[in-house]
Amino acid sequence: NAGVTQTPKFQVLKTGQSMTLQCAQDMNHNSMYWYRQDPGMGLRLIYYSASEGTTDKGEVPNGYNVSRLNKREFSLRLESAAPSQTSVYFCASSEVMNTEAFFGQGTRLTVV
Amino acid sequence: QKEVEQDPGPLSVPEGAIVSLNCTYSNSAFQYFMWYRQYSRKGPELLMYTYSSGNKEDGRFTAQVDKSSKYISLFIRDSQPSDSATYLCAMSGHTNAGKSTFGDGTTLTVKP
Repeated sequence: NAGVTQTPKFQVLKTGQSMTLQCAQDMNHNSMYWYRQDPGMGLRLIYYSASEGTTDKGEVPNGYNVSRLNKREFSLRLESAAPSQTSVYFCASSEVMNTEAFFGQGTRLTVV
Repeated sequence: QKEVEQDPGPLSVPEGAIVSLNCTYSNSAFQYFMWYRQYSRKGPELLMYTYSSGNKEDGRFTAQVDKSSKYISLFIRDSQPSDSATYLCAMSGHTNAGKSTFGDGTTLTVKP
């Protein structure tokens, strides 16, 4: 069972470039999330999707867009990357009425 | 002022020591309290969760919640080198796991 799979694992972008981070889960979860993790700052929620067809902003949504493509897949797009978006990005999924979130292995993004 | 404050660490202990990891919070609505463990370059994984006040034990791990003091702790007995990781506390007022508020994490090293 793969759980939550993120691609790519590493990426280097130049300022102003765009890219999409992909996430897929095989646990049939309704809810999916995107976080960023910066040194000493824990996990901050960027966007989430409570169910297929819905998305909502989290704590730090500026500079990002998301698409819930279907129940399995939730993508995060950076339209014009900035150095401040250098971070480790985690995708997670959970059932709606459940206290456990399952995380992917992360995407390490560097914007130069 | 952050809603969740976690003892920053880092923490270094000898094998076999008892470890105490702590978080305080300000939001009285929090009812679900989680501890995640994150190994280096991996995604977080749920270690334990507690609902409301009280203690919960799982093997060498004990989670304590004191809602009156807005204080939670994770105790690790007989610590092992394999316990070396970053520990994140997380809290929520509902069962939507991915929308929890996370602490910044405490990095623990257990030396053989």
